Amino acid sequence: GPKVLQIPSHQIIDMGQMVTLNCDPVSNHLYFYWYKQILGQQMEFLVNFYNGKVMEKSKLFKDQFSVERPDGSYFTLKIQPTALEDSAVYFCASSPDSNQDTQYFGPGTRLLVL
Amino acid sequence: GDKVKQSPSALSLQEGTNSALRCNFSIAATTVQWFLQNPRGSLINLFYLVPGTKENGRLKSAFDSKESYSTLHIRDAQLEDSGTYFCAAEPSNNRIFFGDGTQLVVKP
Repeated sequence: GPKVLQIPSHQIIDMGQMVTLNCDPVSNHLYFYWYKQILGQQMEFLVNFYNGKVMEKSKLFKDQFSVERPDGSYFTLKIQPTALEDSAVYFCASSPDSNQDTQYFGPGTRLLVL
Repeated sequence: GDKVKQSPSALSLQEGTNSALRCNFSIAATTVQWFLQNPRGSLINLFYLVPGTKENGRLKSAFDSKESYSTLHIRDAQLEDSGTYFCAAEPSNNRIFFGDGTQLVVKP
């Protein structure tokens, strides 16, 4: 079936540094999402992106977070600067034609901020 | 998905009635989550469960890891409960596997 890829699978960085998480969504999908799951806790919605714009973001999507998808390449989540509480698994998802379509999830990037 | 089977795929309820959604797992899930997809498409978390039950208002969820299923009970359904509900199962390796969703319509 369709696959969403995430690069890297793991990332360890020092607090205060910048990190970019990359998502390679399913080809021709138009809607993109980031979710965050702290170890042992529920997965929480971060941001919803369509047509080059953030359509919705949650209160977890801090000012230090930004998303973009330049020229149809990777859909990225950038955190600058990182904080200890940003340590989590970040899941990317994409859906095809409508924001009510099934979302296809990537395997997650495990981010550890030291 | 093939690892998480949700039923029914669609459901229509009269306002004020009760119903249950179900997920069956073909993987050994350690935790289960239930989500409601909002009108903007975002999946909003309703429950995060280890084996057992949780209740929140008119919603109650149960997870039986031995029998590999989870249920979401909706009591006194309201119009605003309409939407697509997804369950997701986590085995021990931090992957998440989603069901295909149940589209719920609550009618007045």
